Amino acid sequence: EVQLLESGGDLAQPGGSLRLSCAVSGFTFSSYAMSWVRQAPGKGLEWVSSITGSGDRGGVTYYADSVKGRFTISRDNSKNTLYLQMNSLRADDTGVYYCARDRLMWELLLDLDCWGQGTLVAVSS
Amino acid sequence: QSVLTQPPSVSGTPGQRVTISCSGSSSNIGSNAVKWYQQLPGTAPKLLIYGSSQRPSGVPDRFSGSKSGTSASLAISGLQSEDEAHYYCATWDDSLNGWVFGGGTRLTVL
Repeated sequence: EVQLLESGGDLAQPGGSLRLSCAVSGFTFSSYAMSWVRQAPGKGLEWVSSITGSGDRGGVTYYADSVKGRFTISRDNSKNTLYLQMNSLRADDTGVYYCARDRLMWELLLDLDCWGQGTLVAVSS
Repeated sequence: QSVLTQPPSVSGTPGQRVTISCSGSSSNIGSNAVKWYQQLPGTAPKLLIYGSSQRPSGVPDRFSGSKSGTSASLAISGLQSEDEAHYYCATWDDSLNGWVFGGGTRLTVL
C-alpha cells in the first residue's frame, strides 16, 4: 500500500524557518517525481515545488515564483523521504502543505495520484 | 487572482449533468495537458482527470474531461450527493515555467 506521511508543520514566526518531511512507503521512491502543494485556510490549491526522480540528473527541482529563493525541495532516496526547507517565512505561507507523488515513474507531469494527509504550517508573530 | 479561471460555484440535482469550465491562455491550457482534482471536505485532493481527458483507474466514467483551444471542461453526469466537493483544474504554464491551479469550483448537489 502506498503511503505518504508529512510531518514538521508548526507555528513559526515571520522570517523564521521550518523543515517539512514526507516519509513514503509502498513504492520505489527514487523512481518517482514528487511535489509539494499547499492550501491556505479556506483557499484553493497552490503548487509549491517539484523534484524529478533520481533517474533524471539526480533530481531536477522546480519552484513557484512565490517561494523561489526561500524554499528548497530535496529528497533522500536512502530514507524514502522528501523534504521542504522553508526559510524567510511569511504570513502568506500559512496553510496545509501536502506532499504528493506523480502517477508515472520517471515523469514529472503533476498528475498527482497519491497524496499525504497534509501538515499545517502557521506563520504568525 | 488565479492564472486559470474557474466559476466559484456550480450546482445540480441528483442525476443531472453539470460542467465546470477552466479558462486559460495560449501559454498554459493552449499548449499543455490539463488535469482535474477533486477535493472532498477535509481531505486531500484526488486526481480525477489527466492528459485533459484520461481517467485514472478507479475513477467512474461519469467524470469526463475535454479541452478546446485555451479552455478545458470537466463534465459530471449522473450527479450524486457524494460528488459534492471542490474541483480544481491545473496545467503547466510555459511563461511562468511552473504549474498553475485554477481557483477551484465548489459543486453543490441540491
